[in-house]
Parts: sequence; C-alpha cells; structure tokens
Amino acid sequence: AQRVTQPEKLLSVFKGAPVELKCNYSYSGSPELFWYVQYSRQRLQLLLRHISRESIKGFTADLNKGETSFHLKKPFAQEEDSAMYYCALHGGSQGNLIFGKGTKLSVKP
Amino acid sequence: SQTIHQWPATLVQPVGSPLSLECTVEGTSNPNLYWYRQAAGRGLQLLFYSVGIGQISSEVPQNLSASRPQDRQFILSSKKLLLSDSGFYLCAWRPRAGVYGTQYFGPGTRLLVL
Repeated sequence: AQRVTQPEKLLSVFKGAPVELKCNYSYSGSPELFWYVQYSRQRLQLLLRHISRESIKGFTADLNKGETSFHLKKPFAQEEDSAMYYCALHGGSQGNLIFGKGTKLSVKP
Repeated sequence: SQTIHQWPATLVQPVGSPLSLECTVEGTSNPNLYWYRQAAGRGLQLLFYSVGIGQISSEVPQNLSASRPQDRQFILSSKKLLLSDSGFYLCAWRPRAGVYGTQYFGPGTRLLVL
C-alpha cells in the first residue's frame, strides 16, 4: 500500500540549531516525493521536490531508496521556518498526492 | 497569472443541515481539481478529484459529494452534515500538462458542525 509516514507531530528547536523533519514512504514503484509547507495564515504551498534536487530557503531533502526516506533538513533553523510541513508522495495516475500527517516545526528564539 | 478562490472562508452549520462549498480557478483551462480535508492529527485526506467537467472520482466513501459544473468550478456538497464533517477543506488545482505533484492550493474553508 502507498503510504507516507511523518513520525513527529511536533518538532521544537532553537534558532540556529540544525533541523531534520523525518519522512518515510511505502511505494512499489519509482517514487516522486515532495515537501509542502503551510506558514501561519498562509496557503499550503510546495517547498521542494526531489526530482529537482534543489535547495529552497536553505532546506534540502535527499531521497534514500534503501531506507525509503525523504527527510527534510536545514543546517541552521530560523524563526520564520516555524510552520506545518507535509511530506507527499505522487501515487496516482491523475497527479494525486498522498500526504503524511504533517510535522509542526517550532523554532524558538 | 493563475489564482484559486474558495468560499466561504468559515462556516458554522448545525448537524443535519446541507452544505455547499465552492472553489473556482482563474487563469487556466482544463485543470485537474481536488478537494482535501485537513483535520488535526490526520494530515491531508484527498476526498475527490476531477479531470474534467462532470468527471468526479471519490477517494473516500462518506457523507460528502462533489460536482464540477464548469471547467474551473468545483463544488463540495452534503445533504445532511455530521459532526465528523467538521474540518478545514482545501481545494487545489494542477495544470493538466504540469509536473506531477505541483498542486496549487486555495485558502481553505473552515467548517464547524455543531
């Protein structure tokens, strides 16, 4: 079955500390994975996708097929990074996304 | 540029009352359209998606239904609301020829059923 697991509901770090939001997936084919972010009072928006191998706002995510993971990392967290983060897997023929339950990141000053 | 609208922004409805949430997209044609529900601790659950006028696919059987009367209009409905229908409803669209996964979300409607 196709599934996305984000084990942490809440992650709290101090400003300047490294942060890693965990995401594991279950998928029988070649996965396409994404991170979406929802800042307070803003719309849910795409942060990055693994096929682009990009760094957005200092965040990176590497697809590890052996561990079936797509963890989101940033070496130095900023207060403005506080938001809800969702990991998503493209699992449908119509561009459907399967979302994890989300991790709320809180960066303290 | 493309924009997506949802209304109302918030809604408080009694149990057993009907529901109609509307979503419209501007600046694009033939989009794929999606309805999600975001509930605390449950993440984003895909409810319905549509690849064209009158074409609706349901992901989760429940008390809700969806319709697409026009190319850029997507409506979420219920004949009789349940307490469990409370949540935050998000509409999203994707270009038909776009990169898979790049969905664009509306501002959402917060529904409270009492």
